[in-house]
Amino acid sequence: GDSVTQMEGPVTLSEEAFLTINCTYTATGYPSLFWYVQYPGEGLQLLLKATKADDKGSNKGFEATYRKETTSFHLEKGSVQVSDSAVYFCALASSASKIIFGSGTRLSIRP
Amino acid sequence: DAGVIQSPRHEVTEMGQEVTLRCKPISGHNSLFWYRQTMMRGLELLIYFNNNVPIDDSGMPEDRFSAKMPNASFSTLKIQPSEPRDSAVYFCASSLVHGVDTEAFFGQGTRLTVV
Repeated sequence: GDSVTQMEGPVTLSEEAFLTINCTYTATGYPSLFWYVQYPGEGLQLLLKATKADDKGSNKGFEATYRKETTSFHLEKGSVQVSDSAVYFCALASSASKIIFGSGTRLSIRP
Repeated sequence: DAGVIQSPRHEVTEMGQEVTLRCKPISGHNSLFWYRQTMMRGLELLIYFNNNVPIDDSGMPEDRFSAKMPNASFSTLKIQPSEPRDSAVYFCASSLVHGVDTEAFFGQGTRLTVV
């Protein structure tokens, strides 16, 4: 069945460092891909999305490109801030409209 | 719109008791999801509905769990009887599906503690 695999955390970086969180997926058809962010004590919020191959989603300095050939959707940010500390989830929406999430990656940014 | 509304925000109950979690999706959305989040297992999809009809309940862990969506604006997740291992944060999410262009909006979650 459809699945999402993302790098395990926790990831700890210094402020202004470059961030990459890897995400790969397995799906039939052409799913939409998402990154969600969860701040402490809150529900998940959509960070960015891409609905077809080679699309780049971007928001708040974060980017991810839908790579069909490598079935990947890696999250990147050029310069992280302390306020980016959160748990990040990669997800896909299958042709059955089912939304499946990865296990989440906890990111901590040191001042 | 107020977003997805879940109640209660926190629930503490004794083992063996019945627990009912409630969700009001965003008006106009046609899909609703129930997820469970724990440290050990991450975010698990329990069940999802499309146009009020359960489509996939393969994630429901046991017969003790049941979910209903009697109309487009309300859903419940019931655990009977509850057990300590059911302690988790339960999230409800809703979406408006356009083929695969869909985005889930999450509620704040219900933190369930079974003692």
